[in-house]
Parts: sequence; structure tokens; C-alpha cells
Amino acid sequence: GPKVLQIPSHQIIDMGQMVTLNCDPVSNHLYFYWYKQILGQQMEFLVNFYNGKVMEKSKLFKDQFSVERPDGSYFTLKIQPTALEDSAVYFCASSLEGGQSAETLYFGSGTRLTVL
Amino acid sequence: GDSVTQTEGPVTVSESESLIINCTYSATSIAYPNLFWYVRYPGEGLQLLLKVITAGQKGSSRGFEATYNKETTSFHLQKASVQESDSAVYYCALGDRYNQGKLIFGQGTKLSIKP
Repeated sequence: GPKVLQIPSHQIIDMGQMVTLNCDPVSNHLYFYWYKQILGQQMEFLVNFYNGKVMEKSKLFKDQFSVERPDGSYFTLKIQPTALEDSAVYFCASSLEGGQSAETLYFGSGTRLTVL
Repeated sequence: GDSVTQTEGPVTVSESESLIINCTYSATSIAYPNLFWYVRYPGEGLQLLLKVITAGQKGSSRGFEATYNKETTSFHLQKASVQESDSAVYYCALGDRYNQGKLIFGQGTKLSIKP
């Protein structure tokens, strides 16, 4: 089936540095998402993105976070600067349409971010 | 608020035995809840197992089934006879018909099948 790829699978970074998480969504999909899962907790919605714009973001999507998809390439999540509480697994997802009922999301296998 | 609670894992079931993973939800701010089961097999991304968008209906896939019960606010996942390949983490999720891809997930239930 369709695959969402996330690169790298694990990233270790010092607190205060910038990090960019990359996601290669399904090729014809138009809607993109990031979810965050802290160890032992539920996966939580961060943001969704369509047509070059953030459509909705949760309270977890701090000012230090930003997303973009320049020229139809990777969909990225940038954190600048990073904080210890940003340590989590970040899951990217994409869907063909976003306004339809029960649209299926396709998820990547996640990037584990460790902030030291 | 809106939330999902599911059977706390890990759960171990013997091959060919039956399975039920409980899921209950609270959708106080969602007028038209949609319900999903996603599954993550080892080393892979989360993938949709089944979904139901109308209360009272049942979804099924790969031998699994779940019924959207609005009265009991439940969406339990069942399978009559599990196989070793069903070993995975199962996530119940709640969505909003009019909100684009903002899912509320349960904590996940890790299922192991004993051969």
C-alpha cells in the first residue's frame, strides 16, 4: 500500500539546537499532519497542513515549531530551539483529502527525537 | 473533553483463541464522531484496520470487526480466531467528520499471540 517515509528514524540533539524532521508523504496526497507521542503516553495531534498553510494546530504546537513543504518535496517539522520536553516520537501522516468524512490517514513509522 | 480509553496492554492470547480489545470514547465536543482502529506491526507505520462513521454500524477487515455503539460509547475490537501475524499494537481513535485528520488516539494495546 501507500507508504509515508520518515527520515531519520532516530535523532539525538543537544537542547537549544535546531532540528528538522523530514517526511516523504504519499505522492498524490494533499493533506499533511504531524503527531507527537511522548514515551508511555498517547499519540497527540500537533498540526495539519494544506496548500502551503497550517490549517489547524494544537496547544502542543509551540511557537518554536514550524512546518513547511517547499516545492512539493519533503514535509518538514522544524523545532528551533529544542527543549528537553520535545523528546518524543514524531509521526508524520498524509491523506488524499482532508475535508471528507473518515478520511484515511497514512502514517510513517516515526522519528524518535532525543533532546539532551 | 474528548478522549479515548482502551484495554491496557500488554495482552497475550493463544493462537486460534478469540480476542476482544475494549475501547470507549467520550465525544463531548464532536457532533458527528467517526471511529477507527489503527494497527502498527513491528517496524512499520500505523495503518488503518477499519473505520465506522455511522452509529450502529459494524466495520470489518482481516477477520477483525468492531461495532460503533453510541449508547455505550464503545467501539470494541473483536476477532474470533487470532493468528500469530496479528501480533501488533492496536490503537482506537476518534475523529470528527468535519475536522481534517485530527484524530484522538487511545494509548494503544500491545497484542502478542502465543503459537
